[in-house]
Amino acid sequence: SAVISQKPSRDICQRGTSLTIQCQVDSQVTMMFWYRQQPGQSLTLIATANQGSEATYESGFVIDKFPISRPNLTFSTLTVSNMSPEDSSIYLCSVVSPAGSEQFFGPGTRLTVL
Amino acid sequence: AQRVTQPEKLLSVFKGAPVELKCNYSYSGSPELFWYVQYSRQRLQLLLRHISRESIKGFTADLNKGETSFHLKKPFAQEEDSAMYYCALKGSGNTPLVFGKGTRLSVIA
Repeated sequence: SAVISQKPSRDICQRGTSLTIQCQVDSQVTMMFWYRQQPGQSLTLIATANQGSEATYESGFVIDKFPISRPNLTFSTLTVSNMSPEDSSIYLCSVVSPAGSEQFFGPGTRLTVL
Repeated sequence: AQRVTQPEKLLSVFKGAPVELKCNYSYSGSPELFWYVQYSRQRLQLLLRHISRESIKGFTADLNKGETSFHLKKPFAQEEDSAMYYCALKGSGNTPLVFGKGTRLSVIA
């Protein structure tokens, strides 16, 4: 299994500011993803964090708004830039187990934008 | 395109009653199907996957390729089953899970 931690667990931010969320995994993993879960909604994939190269973004998500870093196989960051109230959501880091058999999720970062 | 449909947003059943949470999918290849559960104030966790053909906490799910369905069933619901349930699909290769909108199961004593 893979144990995932995220920082911060929650934050309240002002409109127009940016927040960087950290994701740390206890083992080296190849596949790492960032999801968003808006209030009352399901999980939507934002991007795949690629180690050593630019992240791969899903339709509707762009690098300028959600820059992602993946400096190594155990760590990634997601930045939510120039925030607006519509960005209020839970942001989840997810990884595929080294065996490739299961996808694990972090505890999430609950973001509220005022 | 991959799509997962969970038609019920909320399902309320009495304790001891059978439960069926519906999931239909759309995928051109051979998918892997999963059920994830999120209990109150806990993180999302895997409940079961179709390739394992196992029963977890009394829940089972059978992949029906003809009907493109992967419904989750339990013969006798328990109060501790109250949670949010998500059906998810994984395509071929190193692709991430695609989730349905989720069904909130409420088991009433």
